Amino acid sequence: DAKTTQPPSMDCAEGRAANLPCNHSTISGNEYVYWYRQIHSQGPQYIIHGLKNNETNEMASLIITEDRKSSTLILPHATLRDTAVYYCIVKSQAGTALIFGKGTTLSVSS
Amino acid sequence: DSGVTQTPKHLITATGQRVTLRCSPRSGDLSVYWYQQSLDQGLQFLIQYYNGEERAKGNILERFSAQQFPDLHSELNLSSLELGDSALYFCASSVRPGQGGLFFGEGSRLTVL
Repeated sequence: DAKTTQPPSMDCAEGRAANLPCNHSTISGNEYVYWYRQIHSQGPQYIIHGLKNNETNEMASLIITEDRKSSTLILPHATLRDTAVYYCIVKSQAGTALIFGKGTTLSVSS
Repeated sequence: DSGVTQTPKHLITATGQRVTLRCSPRSGDLSVYWYQQSLDQGLQFLIQYYNGEERAKGNILERFSAQQFPDLHSELNLSSLELGDSALYFCASSVRPGQGGLFFGEGSRLTVL
C-alpha cells in the first residue's frame, strides 16, 4: 500500500472549515483513500473514503486531485468536538488491514 | 456507537499472567481485526480474521494469539504478560476484508503491574 504524508498538527477556529491535506504521490490505480480520526484514547472512527471522485457524507467531504497524488479532508464547520488525530490511509480493496501512520493532530479552539 | 463491543473495558493484572480480551463485531460483519495502541508505538495492527479463518498477521508477538468463533466473535489471548504489554487493545470489524471502512470498538485498556 502507498505511503501517505500528513502535517503533524493543525489549528482551526471553531465554526471555520478545517482542511486537512494528505499527500500520496505513489498511490496505485486500485488504491482507495481512507480517512479516520481518533478522539483522545477512543476507538478510531471511520470518516470517509474515495477512489477518484470527490465524496461527501454527513461528517465531511473528501477532495481528491485529478492525478490522485493528494487529497484534502474538509470538515465544513469545525467544532471543539472535532479536536482529534486524523489519519489518511491509502489501501487497495484487496489489501488486508489498515496501517495507521502518525496522522495530523487537529486542534479546534473557540 | 460503532456497533463493535469489547470487554472488559479495563483490566489490571500482574506480569507473567494471562488475559483474554473479547470482541463482538457489528451485526453482519464477517471480518475482525485487532490493534494495539501504546503511548510510544501508535496504532499497530496485530491480526485479522475473516469468517473464522486467520487472514493476515501484523506485529503480533508469539505470546499473543487470537481466534474467531463460529458466531463471529473474537478473542485475543495475551500470555506471559510483560510491563510493555500495557496498552489499549482495539477490535475492529468490516463486512469483508478490504470492503469499506473498519468500525472500531472502544477498546480494552490493559495495565500490567
